[in-house]
Amino acid sequence: QVQLVQSGGGVVQPGGSLRLSCAASGFTFSNCAMNWVRQAPGKGLEWVAFIRNDGSTEFYVDSVKGRFIISRDNSKNTLNLQMNNLRAEDTAVYYCAKDRYATSSASDYWGQGTQVIVSS
Amino acid sequence: DIVMTQSPDSLAVSLGERATINCKSSHSVLNLSNNRNHLAWYQHKPGQPPKLLIYWASTRESGVPDRFSGSGSGTDFTLTISSLQAEDVAVYYCQQYIDIRSFGQGTKLEIK
Repeated sequence: QVQLVQSGGGVVQPGGSLRLSCAASGFTFSNCAMNWVRQAPGKGLEWVAFIRNDGSTEFYVDSVKGRFIISRDNSKNTLNLQMNNLRAEDTAVYYCAKDRYATSSASDYWGQGTQVIVSS
Repeated sequence: DIVMTQSPDSLAVSLGERATINCKSSHSVLNLSNNRNHLAWYQHKPGQPPKLLIYWASTRESGVPDRFSGSGSGTDFTLTISSLQAEDVAVYYCQQYIDIRSFGQGTKLEIK
């Protein structure tokens, strides 16, 4: 069965860095685009980053451009999100989400979520 | 960027009654090359990851009860729960995926 197991996260000071990972299994990882989505406390879902199935294309929400980097290793079935220069407003539960297809499709499976707290 | 706006922000419906949630996009999400609306609906319960309910605006995801249905085209969409069950209490989000991704602000559904 499809599994997305997240790791990383935690508490970090403003300006610090964190790396989130998402280990995929149960499907052909290299066939599917992937996303990171977050939910800040008391807020709705916010899409954060997208990467195409082959890693050739990345997109980011404006608020994280230049600070976050999404990447994937199709040989290890792993998705990553490198978060640099973190701000208080990045505090959220972060989810990895698998798209149904290589591009432009809904997200049919989600990781369990991981908490990121940016605080001094 | 495509902005998704849901209405209402919150909704209280009696058990067994119909619940209707609307979603409006700032630009059409109809892809003329495949004649599909790039619009999905998700259910999100506290402490759980979001769950895909509907994609291509009206296609029900496998395992989703048939009381959930999606309709609409272009810029205006609706999620309908035909007979509300207690387990349907959640926040519901629409999402467009024709221009990268964006979510509506969410609609909180409660029991009246």
